[in-house]
Amino acid sequence: GEDVEQSLFLSVREGDSSVINCTYTDSSSTYLYWYKQEPGAGLQLLTYIFSNMDMKQDQRLTVLLNKKDKHLSLRIADTQTGDSAIYFCAENGSGNTGKLIFGQGTTLQVKP
Amino acid sequence: GAGVSQSPSNKVTEKGKDVELRCDPISGHTALYWYRQSLGQGLEFLIYFQGNSAPDKSGLPSDRFSAERTGGSVSTLTIQRTQQEDSAVYLCASSLASGGDTDTQYFGPGTRLTVL
Repeated sequence: GEDVEQSLFLSVREGDSSVINCTYTDSSSTYLYWYKQEPGAGLQLLTYIFSNMDMKQDQRLTVLLNKKDKHLSLRIADTQTGDSAIYFCAENGSGNTGKLIFGQGTTLQVKP
Repeated sequence: GAGVSQSPSNKVTEKGKDVELRCDPISGHTALYWYRQSLGQGLEFLIYFQGNSAPDKSGLPSDRFSAERTGGSVSTLTIQRTQQEDSAVYLCASSLASGGDTDTQYFGPGTRLTVL
């Protein structure tokens, strides 16, 4: 079946790098996504990666994909207090079902 | 441009009442999705509309839940005879199409439903 797993909590100091990890089970997923959710808000798309890529960089964000191990990570360089939020990874699963399968979310706490 | 909008932002209702939640997708987006976010259940897919195709209702938790999309744009999610376990944040998303990176989903702010 389809399943996405994330660690629940990460705490870092301002200025450090944050690495949020995710594992998924559906090897036929073509796209994997990272979303950010701030308190009381909806989901904001941060970045996504196509399954035939190993890495994607977008300013302070770096996504690494290990398709063999079905492991996805999001690295945030120079983490700021404004980065404190819940981060969700998601896969689009097999076929054109349209639905995203989400992990349970990682709460990132950035300490000043 | 305008993003996905949802109304109301908050809804408090009594057990047994019906509620309607509205979603306005991004203009030009042909695909529309509803998800539910609740404590202990995370983000669950509910229903998906793509153009004029029959919707994928596979995520609806019971027959008390229904959704429609009029004119290929606005969608309404209806919950009949609400129960306390329906309390959650209901999120709507839309995408340009379905397939490839055009199915990247953009989310609205959600409707927080509380059933007393």
